[in-house]
Amino acid sequence: AQSVSQHNHHVILSEAASLELGCNYSYGGTVNLFWYVQYPGQHLQLLLKYFSGDPLVKGIKGFEAEFIKSKFSFNLRKPSVQWSDTAEYFCAVFGGGKLIFGQGTELSVKP
Amino acid sequence: DTAVSQTPKYLVTQMGNDKSIKCEQNLGHDTMYWYKQDSKKFLKIMFSYNNKELIINETVPNRFSPKSPDKAHLNLHINSLELGDSAVYFCASRPPGPGPEAFFGQGTRLTVV
Repeated sequence: AQSVSQHNHHVILSEAASLELGCNYSYGGTVNLFWYVQYPGQHLQLLLKYFSGDPLVKGIKGFEAEFIKSKFSFNLRKPSVQWSDTAEYFCAVFGGGKLIFGQGTELSVKP
Repeated sequence: DTAVSQTPKYLVTQMGNDKSIKCEQNLGHDTMYWYKQDSKKFLKIMFSYNNKELIINETVPNRFSPKSPDKAHLNLHINSLELGDSAVYFCASRPPGPGPEAFFGQGTRLTVV
């Protein structure tokens, strides 16, 4: 069965710190991976996605993610976080006609 | 222009009542979804429709009945509301094929008292 696992439940960082959020997936078909962000009280917005091509994908707001097939991973990174990055982050895989989400990681950035 | 819009944004109701949430997308997508986000922020798919046809029903209680009058609309009707139905419900739509992302509505926060 398809599944997504996010390693960190809650991450607390100071501004300008570097960020890496872990994501591992389990899916036997063609991989279609996403990172979504949910700012407090808002809907989900796409940060970036991977379907094919360069395994290092760049998204909005300085985020990037690397698809490592051998590790079944799609970790999200940002070199320097800002207070405005405080949000919930979701990794997802598309499979079986639906988006399957990880448990989410709450990121709190202290000013 | 809002791509995926849901109404209402907030819904407070008593146990046992019946309520509906409406969703409309103006993106021309064939596929629409309902997701439930619980108090721990976990997102779980409930239903998927493709061109008005039910594709996915993820063991949701039959008190929940989706209806798609056309491919731009997917409404969710809930009968005999229970306390455990309190959650945020998100509608989403997606174009066909591999690759594209799903677009989400603003969510409806349902509180059952």
